[in-house]
Amino acid sequence: GEDVEQSLFLSVREGDSSVINCTYTDSSSTYLYWYKQEPGAGLQLLTYIFSNMDMKQDQRLTVLLNKKDKHLSLRIADTQTGDSAIYFCAESAASGGSYIPTFGRGTSLIVHP
Amino acid sequence: EPEVTQTPSHQVTQMGQEVILRCVPISNHLYFYWYRQILGQKVEFLVSFYNNEISEKSEIFDDQFSVERPDGSNFTLKIRSTKLEDSAMYFCASSSRAGTYEQYFGPGTRLTVT
Repeated sequence: GEDVEQSLFLSVREGDSSVINCTYTDSSSTYLYWYKQEPGAGLQLLTYIFSNMDMKQDQRLTVLLNKKDKHLSLRIADTQTGDSAIYFCAESAASGGSYIPTFGRGTSLIVHP
Repeated sequence: EPEVTQTPSHQVTQMGQEVILRCVPISNHLYFYWYRQILGQKVEFLVSFYNNEISEKSEIFDDQFSVERPDGSNFTLKIRSTKLEDSAMYFCASSSRAGTYEQYFGPGTRLTVT
């Protein structure tokens, strides 16, 4: 079955860039996502990339996709303390019209002053 | 901004008891989902629901589980006879249509089975 792996923790200094990495196994993945979960809140879709794209930029966020290596990364520029959260990588493939995501375990991003 | 809500935020129950986890999806959404995350493990899909019936379910969603939309606003997950291994965070999600990547998640209910 599909699998998504990501490291569990990342600690960065405020103002630095954060890079969260993810690998996946499903070669038929159509969408790849990054979700953010703040304490006490649900998973919030942060950004996504379609599988035929290499890169997507949205303000401080840059998503890079290496489809050959099945590697996805999320770069947060000028990381702030408010970025401290758990970041989930996920992928989905179209299956009968649904896109049920397969999630990783989440990377806890800790931003310290 | 509309959001998905879940109650209770934390439920403690004894093994063998029935629990009902409640969700209020976003009001104009038509597709509803339950996921769970056992502590330290991945978020796992349980079931999707549309038009008053299950549209997709995972292997985890066995006969112990059921879902219902009892009225126009609530979406519930029932576990008939809880086991210790049902202890997890349960997330509800909703989307406006099925073929969409954009599911909106609730904050979760932490279920502890003792």
